Amino acid sequence: GEDVEQSLFLSVREGDSSVINCTYTDSSSTYLYWYKQEPGAGLQLLTYIFSNMDMKQDQRLTVLLNKKDKHLSLRIADTQTGDSAIYFCAESNGDNGGSQGNLIFGKGTKLSVKP
Amino acid sequence: DTEVTQTPKHLVMGMTNKKSLKCEQHMGHRAMYWYKQKAKKPPELMFVYSYEKLSINESVPSRFSPECPNSSLLNLHLHALQPEDSALYLCASSQDYGYEQYFGPGTRLTVT
Repeated sequence: GEDVEQSLFLSVREGDSSVINCTYTDSSSTYLYWYKQEPGAGLQLLTYIFSNMDMKQDQRLTVLLNKKDKHLSLRIADTQTGDSAIYFCAESNGDNGGSQGNLIFGKGTKLSVKP
Repeated sequence: DTEVTQTPKHLVMGMTNKKSLKCEQHMGHRAMYWYKQKAKKPPELMFVYSYEKLSINESVPSRFSPECPNSSLLNLHLHALQPEDSALYLCASSQDYGYEQYFGPGTRLTVT
């Protein structure tokens, strides 16, 4: 079945770059997402990438997709203490019908930023 | 504007109570979702509404009853819940089913 894997923890120093990695198993995944969740809050959609793209950049965020290896990464440049949160990788098959448009989440990576 | 609102923010209820969670979006989205999230876990999908019709029910117990009165509103009616139902309940919406989802802040539910 579909599965999304992430490492559970990442610790970086303020000002460094953070790289959060994710692997997925469903080769028919159409969209891949990164969500951020701060304590006690909902999920914030950070960015997403369509499967025919290799890279997407949005200010401090860079998403890289290696479709051959089914590997997705999120790079946060100049990481700040406000970036401390849990980051969820998720994939879906878009609107291909049935339940394929459902989001399949990884377990989340807790990013800790030390001053 | 990508805002999804949820009320109440916190809810404490006994096992014999009946309560409702509310979700609202004004982005013209035609798909709305309910998720349940336990501590330190990813969200689990409960229900999907598409064009105001229930399209997916992920085998959720009948003590949870969703309702979509119109395209902007989504309710989750709760009755005879168990302590293990205590969780963060998240609502989300998307332009259409399968498109990127925008989440609300959630309702923290405690069942005593």
